[in-house]
Amino acid sequence: NAGVTQTPKFRILKIGQSMTLQCTQDMNHNYMYWYRQDPGMGLKLIYYSVGAGITDKGEVPNGYNVSRSTTEDFPLRLELAAPSQTSVYFCASRDRAGGSYNEQFFGPGTRLTVL
Amino acid sequence: GNSVTQMEGPVTLSEEAFLTINCTYTATGYPSLFWYVQYPGEGLQLLLKATKADDKGSNKGFEATYRKETTSFHLEKGSVQVSDSAVYFCAGSYNTDKLIFGTGTRLQVFP
Repeated sequence: NAGVTQTPKFRILKIGQSMTLQCTQDMNHNYMYWYRQDPGMGLKLIYYSVGAGITDKGEVPNGYNVSRSTTEDFPLRLELAAPSQTSVYFCASRDRAGGSYNEQFFGPGTRLTVL
Repeated sequence: GNSVTQMEGPVTLSEEAFLTINCTYTATGYPSLFWYVQYPGEGLQLLLKATKADDKGSNKGFEATYRKETTSFHLEKGSVQVSDSAVYFCAGSYNTDKLIFGTGTRLQVFP
């Protein structure tokens, strides 16, 4: 199992550009999450999904969009990039069985800089 | 709302020193509690967890006990190594689909 994979690893965007951060998991997990981690801060939840076709906002959804057309993929879309979106983005997934007792598995992250 | 609070870092220790990183949680219900570790340049990975009061999670020499009376889940290790240098996150799950993370504590271990 590759686990949770994210692409790209690094990206520099200009203000106003758009991009999609890719996330794929091969563990057949129902739950998937997008977080951002700002320097010296903890993780903040952007969006999450409890299954294909179902998404919901987290703590900091503004400026982002998601879709979940398959169990495996959960892309995060940035429209009109702003410097405030400079961060490291982590995707995670979790099995439904066991509920909140279960751990989340994290990808390696995408480091995004908006100039 | 619910929250998880952990001590600020960085924590700087010499090799073989004793480590404690404090973590407390709000006592609304009985959350599952987790410690995650993030090594430089990597994503988070689960270090240990506990799902009910008095449970002790342990892994790689690290331990944490779920204490309801003090609403705490402090991380401890008897003898740290340079390879333990990382950022440690405490997190709680309050019977929801989401985790609530603390702000992270950076540990630096010097030989």
